[in-house]
Amino acid sequence: QQQVKQSPQSLIVQKGGIPIINCAYENTAFDYFPWYQQFPGKGPALLIAIRPDVSEKKEGRFTISFNKSAKQFSLHIMDSQPGDSATYFCAASTQGAQKLVFGQGTRLTINP
Amino acid sequence: SQTIHQWPATLVQPVGSPLSLECTVEGTSNPNLYWYRQAAGRGLQLLFYSVGIGQISSEVPQNLSASRPQDRQFILSSKKLLLSDSGFYLCAWRRPPGTEKLFFGSGTQLSVL
Repeated sequence: QQQVKQSPQSLIVQKGGIPIINCAYENTAFDYFPWYQQFPGKGPALLIAIRPDVSEKKEGRFTISFNKSAKQFSLHIMDSQPGDSATYFCAASTQGAQKLVFGQGTRLTINP
Repeated sequence: SQTIHQWPATLVQPVGSPLSLECTVEGTSNPNLYWYRQAAGRGLQLLFYSVGIGQISSEVPQNLSASRPQDRQFILSSKKLLLSDSGFYLCAWRRPPGTEKLFFGSGTQLSVL
């Protein structure tokens, strides 16, 4: 019940396309859903996060869509660029929890 | 501003040798501290976390141990490294009580040969 399932494992998109990465969870107590971006050889960095009181959040070209009833959330990257090529992790947490539960990661490649 | 330091960046160690990786956080007090391991092309595996000095929670039984001798210092150790200990080790911190942003260090690539 503490798992977050992320798909796909890898994704290749042409420049300008809109990659979509999906995550699903079971624990309805989760109330914080961040996405992390990791470049090779670097630590992950927080990209964008959402709470379940909103269905969508945008920051620049990155958008989180949240479906509370389906217990799913997804990351969309508009006008994708080769510089967006990285591994993306979704995660979830409950308020006051000591740990984030991470998805398995998606390796995204944006071809020029 | 807060910063996290992790060293060394790269380490090559023979099987059976000891290990000590250090992580320090600046600009905050009483942070929650975490050690993660990432195998090549894989996800983030939480190894240990700490909510205070001397308080260590272990997530998986293994050949590693962690210690927090000071408020902003977190150390990952092993007495005898195994081949399976190879991986990318990441230190991270969060403000207590453990919500909101998790900040990662730059990682240590450990190769056990």
